[in-house]
Amino acid sequence: EADIYQTPRYLVIGTGKKITLECSQTMGHDKMYWYQQDPGMELHLIHYSYGVNSTEKGDLSSESTVSRIRTEHFPLTLESARPSHTSQYLCASSELSDRVETQYFGPGTRLLVL
Amino acid sequence: AQSVTQLDSQVPVFEEAPVELRCNYSSSVSVYLFWYVQYPNQGLQLLLKYLSGSTLVESINGFEAEFNKSQTSFHLRKPSVHISDTAEYFCAVKPLIGAGSYQLTFGKGTKLSVIP
Repeated sequence: EADIYQTPRYLVIGTGKKITLECSQTMGHDKMYWYQQDPGMELHLIHYSYGVNSTEKGDLSSESTVSRIRTEHFPLTLESARPSHTSQYLCASSELSDRVETQYFGPGTRLLVL
Repeated sequence: AQSVTQLDSQVPVFEEAPVELRCNYSSSVSVYLFWYVQYPNQGLQLLLKYLSGSTLVESINGFEAEFNKSQTSFHLRKPSVHISDTAEYFCAVKPLIGAGSYQLTFGKGTKLSVIP
């Protein structure tokens, strides 16, 4: 099982601020993901990475950006936070298990933009 | 494209009673199926998964799920729930092959509340 860490766990910030949500994993997984989760809604994939220097946008359009300079680190950045960015952000990484990529999730970051 | 429908958004059940959380999916290709559990203020944890073979899969904490291909369902069951099972449960699918085979498609979740 993967160890996925996310910081901060909770963040309250004003409109227009730049924020970076941190995600790191200690299992050496190549593939990593960012999801957005709102109450009563499906999780939506906003970014994923196959490995170092490889990032792609997911199905849900997001104004955030990501980088993957190191295998273990996959930070998400919002250049200018807005109230519409208020949500929970979940990071995940995956490994091949029983012939299928199985995803393991971090504890999430709850973001409130005032 | 895939879609997942969890038919109940909330399920209250008394402690030691049985429970079934329903999940139906739609997909034009074969899929793997997963159940994840999210305890309050935590991330999602993999509960169990169906890849192939026996249609009944079990988790270490007493949950089981049965894949029914004809009904495109993957319902989660437990014969006797405990207070500690209170959580939100997410059903998810992932295509075996093709574009998007890296991607999990989730349902909206079912909140299980176990009443003492």
